[in-house]
Amino acid sequence: ETGVTQSPTHLIKTRGQQVTLRCSSQSGHNTVSWYQQALGQGPQFIFQYYREEENGRGNFPPRFSGLQFPNYSSELNVNALELDDSALYLCASSLGVRRGENIQYFGAGTRLSVL
Amino acid sequence: AQSVAQPEDQVNVAEGNPLTVKCTYSVSGNPYLFWYVQYPNRGLQFLLKYITGDNLVKGSYGFEAEFNKSQTSFHLKKPSALVSDSALYFCAVRAYSGGGADGLTFGKGTHLIIQP
Repeated sequence: ETGVTQSPTHLIKTRGQQVTLRCSSQSGHNTVSWYQQALGQGPQFIFQYYREEENGRGNFPPRFSGLQFPNYSSELNVNALELDDSALYLCASSLGVRRGENIQYFGAGTRLSVL
Repeated sequence: AQSVAQPEDQVNVAEGNPLTVKCTYSVSGNPYLFWYVQYPNRGLQFLLKYITGDNLVKGSYGFEAEFNKSQTSFHLKKPSALVSDSALYFCAVRAYSGGGADGLTFGKGTHLIIQP
């Protein structure tokens, strides 16, 4: 196991609602990245947080937002849920930023279903 | 923009035989390349990475990968497959830019099925 924990494991929401997903990073890691994995696809990068600030973002709209706390845990918030937001959401922690060789360690994910 | 292609949705190998899972990439500049494995209802587990140096990289569980710059490939290999190797395998790339986010770009994944 990687030591990255995510909660909840499963979630069912209705279109238009808002959702918050949580992630605790591996001990000593100060960087958290979030990914969306749709069924049958590879994970897609949403954004990354380093020292409580968003450090970079993939091709996701502003209704996807996040937070990182002083203990380096993180939240992913999605507003105005759409059916296409149904996916496995993965959190990954790593040490440092802007160092391409850093390994990202993934949690087991949160399965979000939007009805 | 960077991209990863895994041309095979599924690879079937008999137990004890060698296996290869293919990956090609496109990136501006020098690439950092990774392989991850995903078991059902689990997150991604890191297998190995290529940064620089020796083109043959050894990783966890007896896996290795060969970096080929001219062919822009990073194929995953194992000399003798085990049934327990059956899983979903992802190749990922990150460009060395010295700046910007460290997001990985993943391929669509390859289902590896090892038959007893």
